[in-house]
Amino acid sequence: DTGVSQDPRHKITKRGQNVTFRCDPISEHNRLYWYRQTLGQGPEFLTYFQNEAQLEKSRLLSDRFSAERPKGSFSTLEIQRTEQGDSAMYLCASSMGQGSGTDTQYFGPGTRLTVL
Amino acid sequence: GEDVEQSLFLSVREGDSSVINCTYTDSSSTYLYWYKQEPGAGLQLLTYIFSNMDMKQDQRLTVLLNKKDKHLSLRIADTQTGDSAIYFCAESMDGNNRKLIWGLGTSLAVNP
Repeated sequence: DTGVSQDPRHKITKRGQNVTFRCDPISEHNRLYWYRQTLGQGPEFLTYFQNEAQLEKSRLLSDRFSAERPKGSFSTLEIQRTEQGDSAMYLCASSMGQGSGTDTQYFGPGTRLTVL
Repeated sequence: GEDVEQSLFLSVREGDSSVINCTYTDSSSTYLYWYKQEPGAGLQLLTYIFSNMDMKQDQRLTVLLNKKDKHLSLRIADTQTGDSAIYFCAESMDGNNRKLIWGLGTSLAVNP
């Protein structure tokens, strides 16, 4: 399978705990994106990387959230001191990172987080 | 402002055509996308259209873009039960497509 993969697929945690999600993009894709999707909503952009550089962060990404892509390949999204409002599906996508053209984003299956 | 709107539900009979509509507000959008999301699955890109095009056809899918009215539609011909899913319209906010703004999704139910 050469698509975008995410791990874990489901995570249940207690309020106040820290959680970390991993995303493995399609190999050779330079850009990697994180989105959050709550029930009945479309995805909301959180942040994106061009190789290892984090180039944009949404206002939605509070200081409890941190994302890394240390070697320009896989990425991790960590949420510290989780709150019930963090319960959502966290989606990762990757793209070639062309300077022009569609630069289509391909999505992983998501990690569903439930904070009790 | 950034806003993409879609009707929330559509129900059709198997074999009929489905038309899902979307309106967007940012006239500087360069690409507009249709994604499909099935339960338990990731978002799947169906098709996209560049903002200087009026129409794009891809097998059973036809995308129409009215740039003047900022209206986008997706027509699915000969709708099948396997087409039942949520369909999202998304617009890119810059020429490099680094950030997509999404609608709430249209839930398509196909009845046999």
